[in-house]
Amino acid sequence: SAVISQKPSRDICQRGTSLTIQCQVDSQVTMMFWYRQQPGQSLTLIATANQGSEATYESGFVIDKFPISRPNLTFSTLTVSNMSPEDSSIYLCSVAWARETQYFGPGTRLLVL
Amino acid sequence: AQKITQTQPGMFVQEKEAVTLDCTYDTSDPSYGLFWYKQPSSGEMIFLIYQGSYDQQNATEGRYSLNFQKARKSANLVISASQLGDSAMYFCAMREAGGNTGNQFYFGTGTSLTVIP
Repeated sequence: SAVISQKPSRDICQRGTSLTIQCQVDSQVTMMFWYRQQPGQSLTLIATANQGSEATYESGFVIDKFPISRPNLTFSTLTVSNMSPEDSSIYLCSVAWARETQYFGPGTRLLVL
Repeated sequence: AQKITQTQPGMFVQEKEAVTLDCTYDTSDPSYGLFWYKQPSSGEMIFLIYQGSYDQQNATEGRYSLNFQKARKSANLVISASQLGDSAMYFCAMREAGGNTGNQFYFGTGTSLTVIP
């Protein structure tokens, strides 16, 4: 496995603003993913963060709303843009080596007022 | 159709007793992986156990075991000797080997487990 950290761990934001969440891994990983978990719900995959190229988004998620960067094999960011209260969720990054187990970061709890 | 179904929204178990959390899955892919994660109130997702579709034996990890019944497409999690710290949400997940989505996981809706002292 790996040690995965996320910043910030939680935040309270005003609607219309943007928040960038960072995910740092202590070793190089093949795959990095971003998930959203709305209150009381299961996890929904937002996108796969691709190193050196544009992220691959799942249905219902677009780059303008959730821009993602992955400049190297240990780091990725997710931005939640033009936030509304509906964006209040836990955002989790996960990592995997090839098609193996995904390991998750501690999550970022976001509340949008 | 749901890829992963967890039919127990909430479960209670007495401390030191065993508990089984149900999970059924749906796939036509002959190669797949099944996972269980624990999510305490802190929000992090903790990997517990993995079962590959071709594994002959049920996976075990300490107090966790996976009761894999391939013909019934079920992958129930058994927690033995429950502890108060086991109180959390538990998610079953599946990864299919095929498809063009890389390593996409499908998650169930989760089961909330409460361990009673």
